[in-house]
Amino acid sequence: NAGVMQNPRHLVRRRGQEARLRCSPMKGHSHVYWYRQLPEEGLKFMVYLQKENIIDESGMPKERFSAEFPKEGPSILRIQQVVRGDSAAYFCASSPSGGLNEAFFGQGTRLTVV
Amino acid sequence: AQTVTQSQPEMSVQEAETVTLSCTYDTSESNYYLFWYKQPPSRQMILVIRQEAYKQQNATENRFSVNFQKAAKSFSLKISDSQLGDTAMYFCAFMKHKGGSEKLVFGKGTKLTVNP
Repeated sequence: NAGVMQNPRHLVRRRGQEARLRCSPMKGHSHVYWYRQLPEEGLKFMVYLQKENIIDESGMPKERFSAEFPKEGPSILRIQQVVRGDSAAYFCASSPSGGLNEAFFGQGTRLTVV
Repeated sequence: AQTVTQSQPEMSVQEAETVTLSCTYDTSESNYYLFWYKQPPSRQMILVIRQEAYKQQNATENRFSVNFQKAAKSFSLKISDSQLGDTAMYFCAFMKHKGGSEKLVFGKGTKLTVNP
């Protein structure tokens, strides 16, 4: 749904650099989910956030990955010291009250690590 | 843990014909949601249809309908009168109904090609 905005659409980083992916949820939505899609795979859950809170980060790698959803501004997924294996499409979904049965996805950010 | 299996990596169908995509899942939950998402080349994830497990009636959205067999843990998608714009990856997904974080668990997808 065009209402969830992710940027950039494409991001190229060299190994060891940092990647910052942004997600602006639909107006009125206070719940954000991040998913990762590896080539030829379905989406895999990474983290679920509400404003200023991480609700579930059970899908996040323990190192180098972090996410935030501040009171003001977009949700950020941050990957430090990127490696080739981080190359994937990263999707954000938002919902108004929690519950992916009413969530909408953004168009994703394709991260390429060279 | 829940798992979702799509046994058909690729399928093709002639325009205007009907095609059925298979999906099975494994869960010990009794209350949950099932979804079919479409991902065209633009990469946008588009919700096609949603089914609540406690509803016995199969969900329908225009040319898209599901065959939900709860006992068999099967959730197939039928596309009638296929159109060229239906060409896309189709993902089946599962979500627990409630109780903490709600995470979608996706299958690996079926690549559908509609031929003119």
